[in-house]
Amino acid sequence: DAKTTQPTSMDCAEGRAANLPCNHSTISGNEYVYWYRQIHSQGPQYIIHGLKNNETNEMASLIITEDRKSSTLILPHATLRDTAVYYCIAYYYNTDKLIFGTGTRLQVFP
Amino acid sequence: NAGVTQTPKFQVLKTGQSMTLQCAQDMNHEYMSWYRQDPGMGLRLIHYSVGAGITDQGEVPNGYNVSRSTTEDFPLRLLSAAPSQTSVYFCASSSGTGGYNEQFFGPGTRLTVL
Repeated sequence: DAKTTQPTSMDCAEGRAANLPCNHSTISGNEYVYWYRQIHSQGPQYIIHGLKNNETNEMASLIITEDRKSSTLILPHATLRDTAVYYCIAYYYNTDKLIFGTGTRLQVFP
Repeated sequence: NAGVTQTPKFQVLKTGQSMTLQCAQDMNHEYMSWYRQDPGMGLRLIHYSVGAGITDQGEVPNGYNVSRSTTEDFPLRLLSAAPSQTSVYFCASSSGTGGYNEQFFGPGTRLTVL
């Protein structure tokens, strides 16, 4: 099973880009990388996912290295409302399970 | 659409009591799941279902039962509550089978077992 590792916490100045790294060196070819975030004690919120190619949506960009061993979630212009715990997750395609890790606590400061 | 709803929002139980946490979704999603989140920790998968009549175990299934008689509802039953089950419980749903698609989470049920 692929596992993901993330830094425990990060800071980012408001208006700057937040780059959140994730290591998934044991990911297999058919495992997607998902990103969710959890603001305070609310239910997690989907951000983005990808397999091989870089992805972008209205919330963020996902950059996956060519060897797929790591990825970076980019919030291009962080705001105070982006303060949250960000989870990088490897989706186990054959098991239908989405397994969360402990995530990165991002603090955006003024 | 109400999305994913969970009841109750808060619950206090005594050790040994039983209860059912309710989860419902109005998006006609096939896939539903239950997670628990202990303080300062990430979410851990308890049970999941890929459609009505089909359920399977997640990472931490012991002490919990589930059933899926309809597409809309996915209740989680604690048969004999223990203090170790004090946690916040989240229900989620997604379209299609499996967790491939975006999962929508409910607001959570905060359970304390004394």
